[in-house]
Amino acid sequence: KNEVEQSPQNLTAQEGEFITINCSYSVGISALHWLQQHPGGGIVSLFMLSSGKKKHGRLIATINIQEKHSSLHITASHPRDSAVYICAVRASGSRLTFGEGTQLTVNP
Amino acid sequence: DADVTQTPRNRITKTGKRIMLECSQTKGHDRMYWYRQDPGLGLQLIYYSFDVKDINKGEISDGYSVSRQAQAKFSLSLESAIPNQTALYFCATSDSSGGPDTQYFGPGTRLTVL
Repeated sequence: KNEVEQSPQNLTAQEGEFITINCSYSVGISALHWLQQHPGGGIVSLFMLSSGKKKHGRLIATINIQEKHSSLHITASHPRDSAVYICAVRASGSRLTFGEGTQLTVNP
Repeated sequence: DADVTQTPRNRITKTGKRIMLECSQTKGHDRMYWYRQDPGLGLQLIYYSFDVKDINKGEISDGYSVSRQAQAKFSLSLESAIPNQTALYFCATSDSSGGPDTQYFGPGTRLTVL
């Protein structure tokens, strides 16, 4: 079993829909990251969380440390949100363990 | 200008050839990382370096070597490339100076070994 599990693996939505991507992990962590990988391959860091909730524009990330679970929400989704969303956890030091990613496609 | 750059961006080579992928950063970060990404798999850590004199193996270091020539430069070498090293390779940097330690990724190098 992977240390970091994401669901769903693939998600297709219509423009305007509210989207949730989930991440569960099995180890104690000091931080959790959400990353976005664009169709061209580039990776951008969206959030780093160690507790609670963070919001940036239409993106919201939450984490429940006790349940070892995080969610990434996208409100009012748009085709430009189409990308792979990656959850990564830091158990110790700076090393990250990555989930396999969730491929999101938002259709107009 | 990008803070983390990788060269080349694309490379096609043949089995047995020696390949070097280069990474440079202008962020002033002390920590640098090399990852590979295969279709359907998460990013896997190859090597990481916490400063110029510190090099550490990651999860999948076999078949690879690295050189930290300066704080800003971290190179990945494939001494004798093989087809299963075909992948997308990412360099990343982070800062240990007490901040959030977010990793910043380069644009990636797509390597094909024939």
